[in-house]
Amino acid sequence: GQNIDQPTEMTATEGAIVQINCTYQTSGFNGLFWYQQHAGEAPTFLSYNVLDGLEEKGRFSSFLSRSKGYSYLLLKELQMKDSASYLCAVNPGSNYQLIWGAGTKLIIKP
Amino acid sequence: DAEITQSPRHKITETGRQVTLACHQTWNHNNMFWYRQDLGHGLRLIHYSYGVQDTNKGEVSDGYSVSRSNTEDLPLTLESAASSQTSVYFCASSEGQGAGRGPYEQYFGPGTRLTVT
Repeated sequence: GQNIDQPTEMTATEGAIVQINCTYQTSGFNGLFWYQQHAGEAPTFLSYNVLDGLEEKGRFSSFLSRSKGYSYLLLKELQMKDSASYLCAVNPGSNYQLIWGAGTKLIIKP
Repeated sequence: DAEITQSPRHKITETGRQVTLACHQTWNHNNMFWYRQDLGHGLRLIHYSYGVQDTNKGEVSDGYSVSRSNTEDLPLTLESAASSQTSVYFCASSEGQGAGRGPYEQYFGPGTRLTVT
């Protein structure tokens, strides 16, 4: 089967750094996405990785290891507005569908 | 600016009624998707379309149908609403695939919260 695992909930402090992990087992691999979803809102795109390594975009970075079936999202200099759910999704290839993890709810404390 | 809209944003209906949720995008994307999102689950794919007159079933398609008569719209119909279909429904669209990379990101509508009583 196809499976994506993420921690259900994490807590971090304003100004700190947090790493949200995602592991996947899929029939194929053609890219991994991270989305942010604030409560009651739609998911919005954060990052995309298809090759191994780190992609940096401002305070957010995303890492991929295809051999380990593993990715993480790194959030630096946390702000209260970063309180949200973070969704990991994989394209297993051959079409445009995504397999979604259940999401990690990130709680930021002052 | 291009956008993707959904209507209604909230809907309460009774068991057994037919319900249609609208999705309209002005991105001119060929790919469109319908998901439902329930607590404890990831986004689950209901139906998807890769172009006009093309529709495909996703992992949770039972009790739902879609039609694609133009590029902009993909309405989702619940044939006979059931309490198990109480959920938040998201429509999304995307471009195809870029050279040397996988698929492009999906853009989501604001969602429709459906309650079936």
